[in-house]
Amino acid sequence: DAKTTQPTSMDCAEGRAANLPCNHSTISGNEYVYWYRQIHSQGPQYIIHGLKNNETNEMASLIITEDRKSSTLILPHATLRDTAVYYCIVRDPYSNYQLIWGAGTKLIIKP
Amino acid sequence: NAGVTQTPKFQVLKTGQSMTLQCAQDMNHEYMSWYRQDPGMGLRLIHYSVGAGITDQGEVPNGYNVSRSTTEDFPLRLLSAAPSQTSVYFCASSYSLRGSTYEQYFGPGTRLTVT
Repeated sequence: DAKTTQPTSMDCAEGRAANLPCNHSTISGNEYVYWYRQIHSQGPQYIIHGLKNNETNEMASLIITEDRKSSTLILPHATLRDTAVYYCIVRDPYSNYQLIWGAGTKLIIKP
Repeated sequence: NAGVTQTPKFQVLKTGQSMTLQCAQDMNHEYMSWYRQDPGMGLRLIHYSVGAGITDQGEVPNGYNVSRSTTEDFPLRLLSAAPSQTSVYFCASSYSLRGSTYEQYFGPGTRLTVT
């Protein structure tokens, strides 16, 4: 599975959109991009995933570049409760490989 | 649904002691796994199971055993605790290992300290 690169930390003002980037330049055609977050040492929580099209759900939007070498997770109206570590992971869903977790991005929402 | 439950929440062991971390899920998920998370790090896979009676090793299996006698339960055994096993342990489950959805549900974690 391809590796990902994320910034170590980011700040965002409450009520603004939080844009979290992820580079996955070695991603292959079958690999999906998954995002999870971990709030204050709780168990990680699934957010969203996608292959090539942009995706949106009740939590966030995922924008994947046309060449699929990078993606951005967007939290449209960040709240203090969105302060967490966000993990970007790529995986071939039809392999038996597990998710490989990096250190993620620590997102701090400021009032 | 209770989701994924883990017991205990906290545990302190002395070097050489053994113990079992419990994990249960009530979502009828086939796939279950155990991770450890050290401070400031991502999760590392210890063992996983793709169904009752089937287990396999992950990235860091040494010093741990698992079994899967039922769909619901997936206990993790520490055979002889060492300070290097001080960590937070998470259990997770998902409907299947394969397929694009592959959403994992995590338990609240067990914080283990080995002195």
